[in-house]
Amino acid sequence: DVKVTQSSRYLVKRTGEKVFLECVQDMDHENMFWYRQDPGLGLRLIYFSYDVKMKEKGDIPEGYSVSREKKERFSLILESASTNQTSMYLCASKTPTLGGTYNSPLHFGNGTRLTVT
Amino acid sequence: AQKITQTQPGMFVQEKEAVTLDCTYDTSDPSYGLFWYKQPSSGEMIFLIYQGSYDQQNATEGRYSLNFQKARKSANLVISASQLGDSAMYFCAMRRTGNQFYFGTGTSLTVIP
Repeated sequence: DVKVTQSSRYLVKRTGEKVFLECVQDMDHENMFWYRQDPGLGLRLIYFSYDVKMKEKGDIPEGYSVSREKKERFSLILESASTNQTSMYLCASKTPTLGGTYNSPLHFGNGTRLTVT
Repeated sequence: AQKITQTQPGMFVQEKEAVTLDCTYDTSDPSYGLFWYKQPSSGEMIFLIYQGSYDQQNATEGRYSLNFQKARKSANLVISASQLGDSAMYFCAMRRTGNQFYFGTGTSLTVIP
């Protein structure tokens, strides 16, 4: 079974702090993703990474950056946390699909509930 | 533009009954994939079922089936013989070309004993 591990289940940080959310997967997946989940808005993509040292902006990248130095680890960084970044953050990984198919699902971690005060 | 629409914020179903969760999607791509995920109160997102745009048959996985109507752009999840453990949020998602997945806003399902 694929295991995606997020380092913290709950985090409380102060406004202006630099925050690191860590995610590790153990299935050698090339693709990794960071989503933010808010009630009534579903999941919104912040950043994703095709492979080591590669990153692409998602729909809501403002205020966030990412780092992928090793294949198994994908970090989300809040450069200067703000109260509107209080949310649930979900990391996911998947293997690339071949031959134009789309059947490779995302495998998610348990989420990090971040509160910025 | 909204790519995935789930119009039912909350649903109730009696234990052992079947329930249908609605999902419509918007794309002009000929190839795409549709997914359903379950999120219990513990927070983890669990992959349930997949349907490819070219699949001729509706996908089934145990008590889950996907009612895929391509012309109507709908991909409804049917859960048969509901159990108390089915109480959760359910998300519909679509993957188009590239690696992006688009998620709906979710439906909260409550199974009543």
